[in-house]
Amino acid sequence: DAGITQSPRYKITETGRQVTLMCHQTWSHSYMFWYRQDLGHGLRLIYYSAAADITDKGEVPDGYVVSRSKTENFPLTLESATRSQTSVYFCASSVGIVGQGTYGYTFGSGTRLTVV
Amino acid sequence: SQQGEEDPQALSIQEGENATMNCSYKTSINNLQWYRQNSGRGLVHLILIRSNEREKHSGRLRVTLDTSKKSSSLLITASRAADTASYFCATGFQKLVFGTGTRLLVSP
Repeated sequence: DAGITQSPRYKITETGRQVTLMCHQTWSHSYMFWYRQDLGHGLRLIYYSAAADITDKGEVPDGYVVSRSKTENFPLTLESATRSQTSVYFCASSVGIVGQGTYGYTFGSGTRLTVV
Repeated sequence: SQQGEEDPQALSIQEGENATMNCSYKTSINNLQWYRQNSGRGLVHLILIRSNEREKHSGRLRVTLDTSKKSSSLLITASRAADTASYFCATGFQKLVFGTGTRLLVSP
């Protein structure tokens, strides 16, 4: 999607390695989110951020680290990758609190991560 | 855990037919949203309906919400092959919780 870019698009890594997934948005949206999508589980929230330097855990944060030093970037790091972290990872953003507006999330195209 | 569950899990129809997908959720909501996901792509926001609304339209999409039954439905009228995708409902105020989705196949 134009305006929110995830990289890499595909990644294969070995168990135990550290890997960082990048997310960049050009709209200066306040909120950013990381979800993982797995068959049978749908999308599950890993971490989210309400603004630069403000992050909070989602439903499945264990094994992941995030940072947000700049509004436009929200990298997700797997500190020591495990096979259970094989998944498709989606970054999303929203201009504000979705419950207060008429807008939703804008998603990136995803990163397909395989841990071998 | 999922807040919403879509039904059916999969739906196969012919072009021109209507497609109806349902979403049931567990707790009180402020709003409910529907998203579409084409294969290998990110989700795209389709429509948002507030808890005090009963029905909303956007082009060929019609969404209903019944808060007493904690359920919503998405109707796509006059389906096209390009509507083939997975459809997800989502609820939440600051952070969204997504259902597991309905896979729609529209055959020419």
